[in-house]
Amino acid sequence: NAGVTQTPKFQVLKTGQSMTLQCAQDMNHEYMSWYRQDPGMGLRLIHYSVGAGITDQGEVPNGYNVSRSTTEDFPLRLLSAAPSQTSVYFCASSLDFGLSSSYEQYFGPGTRLTVT
Amino acid sequence: GESVGLHLPTLSVQEGDNSIINCAYSNSASDYFIWYKQESGKGPQFIIDIRSNMDKRQGQRVTVLLNKTVKHLSLQIAATQPGDSAVYFCAENSGGSNYKLTFGKGTLLTVNP
Repeated sequence: NAGVTQTPKFQVLKTGQSMTLQCAQDMNHEYMSWYRQDPGMGLRLIHYSVGAGITDQGEVPNGYNVSRSTTEDFPLRLLSAAPSQTSVYFCASSLDFGLSSSYEQYFGPGTRLTVT
Repeated sequence: GESVGLHLPTLSVQEGDNSIINCAYSNSASDYFIWYKQESGKGPQFIIDIRSNMDKRQGQRVTVLLNKTVKHLSLQIAATQPGDSAVYFCAENSGGSNYKLTFGKGTLLTVNP
């Protein structure tokens, strides 16, 4: 299993540009999520999905869209990039987020995004 | 608002010593807690978790202690090794239909050889 994969690893955008961060998992996990990590702060939840066709907002959803058309993929879209979105983005997946007793999430390697 | 925080942002220990990383939580409804390790340039990795119906859980070289009275969580690492150098995060969930983990800000552990 490749686990959780993210592309690209690095990205530089200009203010106002849009892009999609890709995330895929091959563990047949129902739950997937996106976090951003800023210096001196913990991970903050952007959006999450409890299964294909179902998404919901996390703590900091503004400026981001997600969709979950398949179990495997959970792309994160930046609609109009702003310097405040400069961050490291992590995608994570979990079998079923607690239904089978463990909330353990498997994280991808991250995408480092810079918006100028 | 409810939050998960850490008492110490940095911790430096000698190789072979035991390390203790602390975490305070404020949501009394939280019933699940988890510790993650994040090495530089990588995504977080699961270390150990504990439910609120327990006060102690042990793994390989790690122990998590939960004190619900004072809403305090700690991670103990025995015989700390240079490979343990990383940022450690605690996170909590309040269960039910809450599908969110709330993370603390992290503690940087540095192990000196």
